[in-house]
Amino acid sequence: AQSVTQPDIHITVSEGASLELRCNYSYGATPYLFWYVQSPGQGLQLLLKYFSGDTLVQGIKGFEAEFKRSQSSFNLRKPSVHWSDAAEYFCAVARSGNKLVFGAGTILRVKS
Amino acid sequence: GAGVSQSPSNKVTEKGKDVELRCDPISGHTALYWYRQSLGQGLEFLIYFQGNSAPDKSGLPSDRFSAERTGGSVSTLTIQRTQQEDSAVYLCASSFRDRGTEAFFGQGTRLTVV
Repeated sequence: AQSVTQPDIHITVSEGASLELRCNYSYGATPYLFWYVQSPGQGLQLLLKYFSGDTLVQGIKGFEAEFKRSQSSFNLRKPSVHWSDAAEYFCAVARSGNKLVFGAGTILRVKS
Repeated sequence: GAGVSQSPSNKVTEKGKDVELRCDPISGHTALYWYRQSLGQGLEFLIYFQGNSAPDKSGLPSDRFSAERTGGSVSTLTIQRTQQEDSAVYLCASSFRDRGTEAFFGQGTRLTVV
C-alpha cells in the first residue's frame, strides 16, 4: 500500500533562513505528488504539485519542490522564510483516480 | 459556489446523539473525500467517492460512521451515537478525476462532543 513519511514533526527556523521539509513516499510507480499548507484554523491550500516532466516544480508563496525518483522523495524548499509561513505542511501522494494519501504533517515555527 | 462548502462550521453535541455533517463540492468534481483531523494529529482518511463507483469506505473507524453522496454532488457524513473521541475537525475535499486528483478542501466542520 502506498504511504507517505514526513520524518520531521516540528521544525523551527529563523525568519529569512532557508527551509527544507522532507517527504518520502512508498509506491510502486511514480505517483502524483502534492504539498499542502494549513494555517491555524484554516483548511488546506495546495502549494504545488508534480505530475510529470521537470522534476523541480514551482508553487505559490515562493515555494518549490524537487522530485527525486531514486530517493522516492519530494522535498519542499523555500530560500527565505517569512513569519507568515508558520503553518503545518502536508505532503500527499495519489495515482490518478485513486484517493490521496497524506503524511502526518510537519509544523513549521518561524522565530524572529 | 466557487469552492468546497461545509456546514455547519462548528457543531457541539451531547454524547450519544447523532450528527450530520454536510459537504457541497465544487461543481463538476467527480471525486469527494472525507478526512478527520484530531488535535495535533495528521489527516485521517475516512471515505472516498469517485463518480458512480462503489465508495472506498476503508477509513471509517467504526460502524457508527456512514456517508452518502446524492446525485454525485452533495455528501453527508453521519456519526451515530457520538463519543467524545469523535471530537475533531472533519474536512471534505473534491477533485476532478482526470486532473491528477488535485483536491480542493473545505474549511472543515469542528465537532465537539460533550
